[in-house]
Amino acid sequence: QVLLEQSGADLKKPGASVKVSCTASGYRFTRYVLAWVRQAPGLGLEWMGWISPYSGDTKSAEKFQGRVTMTTDTSTSTVYMELKSLKSDDTAVYYCVRPTTDTTPPSPGYAFDTWGQGTMVTVSS
Amino acid sequence: DIQLTQSPSSLSASVGDRVTITCRASQMISGYINWYQQKSGKAPKLLISAAFTLQSGVPSRFRGSGSGTDFTLTISNLQPEDFATYYCQQSYSSQLTFGGGTKVEI
Repeated sequence: QVLLEQSGADLKKPGASVKVSCTASGYRFTRYVLAWVRQAPGLGLEWMGWISPYSGDTKSAEKFQGRVTMTTDTSTSTVYMELKSLKSDDTAVYYCVRPTTDTTPPSPGYAFDTWGQGTMVTVSS
Repeated sequence: DIQLTQSPSSLSASVGDRVTITCRASQMISGYINWYQQKSGKAPKLLISAAFTLQSGVPSRFRGSGSGTDFTLTISNLQPEDFATYYCQQSYSSQLTFGGGTKVEI
């Protein structure tokens, strides 16, 4: 079955960077983009962006432009999300997600039907 | 960005009730709305895509409707396992957004 396995929890100081990994299995890795969604404690869901493992193309939410970098390693079927200049309100669970459509960019109306287990990132001095 | 406003933000209900959750978009998004269920400490689960398409394995008591700017998730005959938080999400725009969530409590 399709699985997205994420790296473990991380604790960072304000101003630092964090890099979260997501390893995919159960399907052809380069066929689908992979996206990132985060959720601060007790709050809602926030889309951060996506990356195409096939082309390396990325699209990020305007809020994170310049601060988030998404990369891919096709040899290990892994995508990475690096967030820089961390602040306390970046404390959140970060999810790796796969969309329902295999186009790049994802066609309008796409949803996320596969989710990783989430990675808790805590930003605290 | 397209804003999605969910209402109510929370509601109390009993087993067997019918509940309705509304999601209003700040502009027309055709039928490009998806609904998720999230239980405490778990990743969200996709329930409905494209406004009304039930995902495989999702009970038929869940129903989605609407188009344009106004969308509804209806849960009939509420079951104990349905107590959770529900989110709408639009991908009409390349800047994808989620609603603020509706917590369904006993």
